[in-house]
Amino acid sequence: SQQGEEDPQALSIQEGENATMNCSYKTSINNLQWYRQNSGRGLVHLILIRSNEREKHSGRLRVTLDTSKKSSSLLITASRAADTASYFCATDLNDYKLSFGAGTTVTVRA
Amino acid sequence: EAGVAQSPRYKIIEKRQSVAFWCNPISGHATLYWYQQILGQGPKLLIQFQNNGVVDDSQLPKDRFSAERLKGVDSTLKIQPAKLEDSAVYLCASSQGDQPQHFGDGTRLSIL
Repeated sequence: SQQGEEDPQALSIQEGENATMNCSYKTSINNLQWYRQNSGRGLVHLILIRSNEREKHSGRLRVTLDTSKKSSSLLITASRAADTASYFCATDLNDYKLSFGAGTTVTVRA
Repeated sequence: EAGVAQSPRYKIIEKRQSVAFWCNPISGHATLYWYQQILGQGPKLLIQFQNNGVVDDSQLPKDRFSAERLKGVDSTLKIQPAKLEDSAVYLCASSQGDQPQHFGDGTRLSIL
């Protein structure tokens, strides 16, 4: 069974707008990771946030983690057409095995 | 740095036939993973290797799926016999220590 669940399932925004997606999970984690997958390609690692961290930034990406609510969010600021992809959260239960959610499909309109 | 290489990129077979996928991880990566990604879903871990030993194969349907990683480098995943529900993308990933996983572009398998 999949540990994480992303919300929303799909998101359509205008270029330049921000995109926010959420991930909820069920059990205690060691860290939570976000990956991007372009159509027909493999997953690309975006950012990792550890269970003792609350917020992390990488370029136009901002990730938050609330372990009390077992939830995380990914914010993409100033979106570009190249950000069109599916985004997955994945939880690591301290054994380097990842459990992925079903993903959020983001479409950025020009 | 060369990425994770997988072949073939696409495969179409009839049900009950057999198929094999190949993965060459990033050089030096001790851990290798095989995932199954069904359309519209996230990847599901099938098997995890550490060097040439199996760490976790609890979600591998062992009656039809097998995998090996000879010499701790390349790996092959085999399905025999294939069922219609095996239609999916099979992704290989590798990592070193606690570093993030690197994924190949996968093999898209269609079962007729």
